[in-house]
Amino acid sequence: AQSVAQPEDQVNVAEGNPLTVKCTYSVSGNPYLFWYVQYPNRGLQFLLKYITGDNLVKGSYGFEAEFNKSQTSFHLKKPSALVSDSALYFCAVRAPYNQGGKLIFGQGTELSVKP
Amino acid sequence: EPEVTQTPSHQVTQMGQEVILRCVPISNHLYFYWYRQILGQKVEFLVSFYNNEISEKSEIFDDQFSVERPDGSNFTLKIRSTKLEDSAMYFCASSPGQGVFEKLFFGSGTQLSVL
Repeated sequence: AQSVAQPEDQVNVAEGNPLTVKCTYSVSGNPYLFWYVQYPNRGLQFLLKYITGDNLVKGSYGFEAEFNKSQTSFHLKKPSALVSDSALYFCAVRAPYNQGGKLIFGQGTELSVKP
Repeated sequence: EPEVTQTPSHQVTQMGQEVILRCVPISNHLYFYWYRQILGQKVEFLVSFYNNEISEKSEIFDDQFSVERPDGSNFTLKIRSTKLEDSAMYFCASSPGQGVFEKLFFGSGTQLSVL
């Protein structure tokens, strides 16, 4: 069965500092990994995805994620955090087509960026 | 960018009442999903829908739940007899395909409160 885990409920970062939001995965077969962000009173917005290829994936709003097969991780990163990055971040894995193709989410990490 | 729209944004109902949550997926999308998020918990898959039938459903999606695409544009989730534990944010999502590289587009959600 596919699953992802986000070990931190909350991450606090000062504006301008680099940020990392952690995610580890457990899959049978190839991992298809996604990051979504949820701003207050908004739906989930797609940030980036890893399907295959380069281990460093670039996405929206200056975010990137590093796929590490040996550590089964897919951490979200940004070199310089903004206050407007404060939101709830979800890591997700896509189940294969023969298992329904649904997105399976982690428990979410609340990112707080202070001025 | 096209959006998935959900109505209402908030729904308050009495326990035992029926509720219908409405969604308008993106027009050329073929796959539709409902997820829910209980306060403080992870986003959980409920059901996927394609070609006018359920593709997959979770254990949460019991006989009290049903989905329908009544007119080719709307996608509805009905809860026949609501329970207190149905209180959650319900998200509709759609995607153009079911390939593992496809991202899901989410609506802003309906906050359901069962009293």
